[in-house]
Formats: sequence, structure tokens, C-alpha cells
Amino acid sequence: AQSVSQHNHHVILSEAASLELGCNYSYGGTVNLFWYVQYPGQHLQLLLKYFSGDPLVKGIKGFEAEFIKSKFSFNLRKPSVQWSDTAEYFCAVTPSGNTPLVFGKGTRLSVIA
Amino acid sequence: GAVVSQHPSWVICKSGTSVKIECRSLDFQATTMFWYRQFPKQSLMLMATSNEGSKATYEQGVEKDKFLINHASLTLSTLTVTSAHPEDSSFYICSTRETSNQPQHFGDGTRLSIL
Repeated sequence: AQSVSQHNHHVILSEAASLELGCNYSYGGTVNLFWYVQYPGQHLQLLLKYFSGDPLVKGIKGFEAEFIKSKFSFNLRKPSVQWSDTAEYFCAVTPSGNTPLVFGKGTRLSVIA
Repeated sequence: GAVVSQHPSWVICKSGTSVKIECRSLDFQATTMFWYRQFPKQSLMLMATSNEGSKATYEQGVEKDKFLINHASLTLSTLTVTSAHPEDSSFYICSTRETSNQPQHFGDGTRLSIL
């Protein structure tokens, strides 16, 4: 069965610090990869997605992620975080086709002023 | 704007009550909808895949008689938690996508609290 691993449970950063959240998946075939964000009290929102092409994907709010096929990884990055980035971040994977997303356990990001 | 509408957002009821949660696709016809469950500080776990006009597909360990899913139209799927007990208290989230090559959109979720 597919699984998604997010290495960090809770990350605490100061404003302007750089961010990298790890995500690894276990699936040998072609996959579609996603990062979703859940702000406190809100629904999940798509940050960025990778289906094919350039493995460096840029999303909203200055986030980007890099797909490294050999490492089965899709790490999320942001050069300089803001207080408003405080949220829960979920990595999700689905094989190509009409199958539902499989989520990682999520990483809580707390940005302090 | 919202792509998926989920109602109600919060339910508090007594043990033994059945609770129905509605999920509507607002922008497109959804032949498939997904129901997830999220416990506090944990990830979303897929419960079932709802297929319009046919039976839902349940994940291993999810009781189909406990969690009744109906997908009677291309824009509406419902999840009914039958005879709910405190251990069913959780956050239930529905999701859908327009085609298999599109990202999933999520409802706001329903917080179910069984006393």
C-alpha cells in the first residue's frame, strides 16, 4: 500500500527564516504529488502540485517544492517565512488515475515574530 | 470561492443519534467524491469513495453499515453516521475533483461531537 511520510511533526521558526519540510512516499509507479495547507479553522487549500515536467514546482505564497524521483521525495520550501504561514502542512500522493489522495501525517508550522 | 460545500459544519448530539452530513460540488459534476476522517493532530484518513449511482467503496476497517454513503446525484453525496457513539467523534471532510488530472478540492469539514 502507498504511504506518505512527513519527517517533522512540529516546526518552529522565526519570521524570515528559511523553511524546508520533508516528504517521502512509497510507490514505485507514476505519481501525482501535492502539498496542501490548513490554516487554523479553515479547510484544506492547495499550495502546489506536480504531475509531470519540471520537477521544481512553484506554488502560491512563495512556496516551492522539488520532486526528486530517485529519492521518492517532494520537499516543500520557502526562503523566508512569515507569521501568516503558521498552519498545518500536508503532503499527499496519488498514482495517476482516478484514485484518492493519500496524506502524510502533517507538519505543524509555527512562525514566531 | 468555494468549490465544495459541506453541511453542517458542527454537530453535537447524544449517543445513539444518527447524523447526516451533506457534501455538494458547486462548480462541476462529480461522479466521484471522497470521504475522509481526521482525528485531532492526525492526518486525513480515507474512509470511502462515493460513486454516483452505485455503491460506495469502503476502506479496510471502515464499517459500511455504520457509515452510510449515498451519492444520488452528480452534485451531492451524503454520509450518515448511524447510531453514533462517542468514539465516532471526529472531523469528517469530503472532497472531490473534476477529472483525475485535477487536484482534489475539500469541503470545510464537519466537526462531530457525540456526548
